[in-house]
Amino acid sequence: NAGVTQTPKFHILKIGQSMTLQCTQDMNHNYMYWYRQDPGMGLKLIYYSVGAGITDKGEVPNGYNVSRSTTEDFPLRLELAAPSQTSVYFCASSDVDRGFPGYTFGSGTRLTVV
Amino acid sequence: AQTVTQSQPEMSVQEAETVTLSCTYDTSESDYYLFWYKQPPSRQMILVIRQEAYKQQNATENRFSVNFQKAAKSFSLKISDSQLGDAAMYFCAYRSAFGPRDTGRRALTFGSGTRLQVQP
Repeated sequence: NAGVTQTPKFHILKIGQSMTLQCTQDMNHNYMYWYRQDPGMGLKLIYYSVGAGITDKGEVPNGYNVSRSTTEDFPLRLELAAPSQTSVYFCASSDVDRGFPGYTFGSGTRLTVV
Repeated sequence: AQTVTQSQPEMSVQEAETVTLSCTYDTSESDYYLFWYKQPPSRQMILVIRQEAYKQQNATENRFSVNFQKAAKSFSLKISDSQLGDAAMYFCAYRSAFGPRDTGRRALTFGSGTRLQVQP
């Protein structure tokens, strides 16, 4: 099925370790986003990309890095994991440069840093 | 920067009754989009309804409708004939209607959410 695929769905990481959250979309969307959702809170933008090779910081980028080598993939890298990075991470993509925007979200990755 | 405020952390409604979820936002822009998303326990983000700021007519989708008050910067969601399956977190979100070179404003800005319980 077309959409945004995130892996893994769950992961436990030790403090100081690093890992990459994967995100792939097959809708040929130019725009992709990473959000984090802390318990009982809304989604906050970490990084976004407007096309292959172009990324920029969102509201809460510290401790994260991204890359966008292809239109389909937008991985999120956590370096030196900290307990404050325990959260649910959502990847999303969007279409329509003009007109009414449509967003597709992945099913999220629940990450626990211990 | 735009902000979205949902002042009701939790709401409860009886099955078949009507409930209204509140959302206010702060912006200096005149053109933008507003959204309501539903997040059930599965974590999936599901679009419920959306509104374009330049349209005065309130959006409706079956049992879901909005009350968009642009001057008051208010965007409430009304759920009629509530069903058990409506129980979820509901998020209000904002997005600018950007210009062609304004690449940083395509992302959604979310409120903190309202947890809706539906009582049988």
